[in-house]
Amino acid sequence: KAGVTQTPRYLIKTRGQQVTLSCSPISGHRSVSWYQQTPGQGLQFLFEYFSETQRNKGNFPGRFSGRQFSNSRSEMNVSTLELGDSALYLCASSDQGQPMNTEAFFGQGTRLTVV
Amino acid sequence: SQELEQSPQSLIVQEGKNLTINCTSSKTLYGLYWYKQKYGEGLIFLMMLQKGGEEKSHEKITAKLDEKKQQSSLHITASQPSHAGIYLCGADIGGQNFVFGPGTRLSVLP
Repeated sequence: KAGVTQTPRYLIKTRGQQVTLSCSPISGHRSVSWYQQTPGQGLQFLFEYFSETQRNKGNFPGRFSGRQFSNSRSEMNVSTLELGDSALYLCASSDQGQPMNTEAFFGQGTRLTVV
Repeated sequence: SQELEQSPQSLIVQEGKNLTINCTSSKTLYGLYWYKQKYGEGLIFLMMLQKGGEEKSHEKITAKLDEKKQQSSLHITASQPSHAGIYLCGADIGGQNFVFGPGTRLSVLP
């Protein structure tokens, strides 16, 4: 089974731009969650999608949005980038509903740098 | 403040030594998970604990959950350089809110 694939691995963007990150979950998994990891705040939950619907959402501004497609692939979008958005963005997939009720598999992450 | 606290923040041990990492929650735990992360990479699932008193082992790593204390410990026996990394605990604290601890950075000296 292929693992969770995140693209791109690295990204450099300028303040004010927008960015789209992609996550392909493990085949058969319907739940995809997104996390932001920074040295200061640690790992923080962004949102979770299950069968194309956003089911859970963390405490992030509306600039952070996402969607999930019928094949379970998910994209995360950040608009009007700020320097503080520089982080490692991780996605996790699981075969059941809420990812923390079962083993969640994480991708390698996308490291976003905003300059 | 963080809902999950981990101690110690960092740990340096000699190869072969045992060590323990703790994770304490300020809220009721509905499930506690341990992950390992190599710097800048994804998380590797280690163990999931869901019942008070539950203890699980995988190779040389053992994790326990003390529901009353809202605490979990991760114990590594006879540490090896391959155990080095950042250990994170994660938890479902209710309200569909998933949180992680700040992590414990482990270095194992050969």
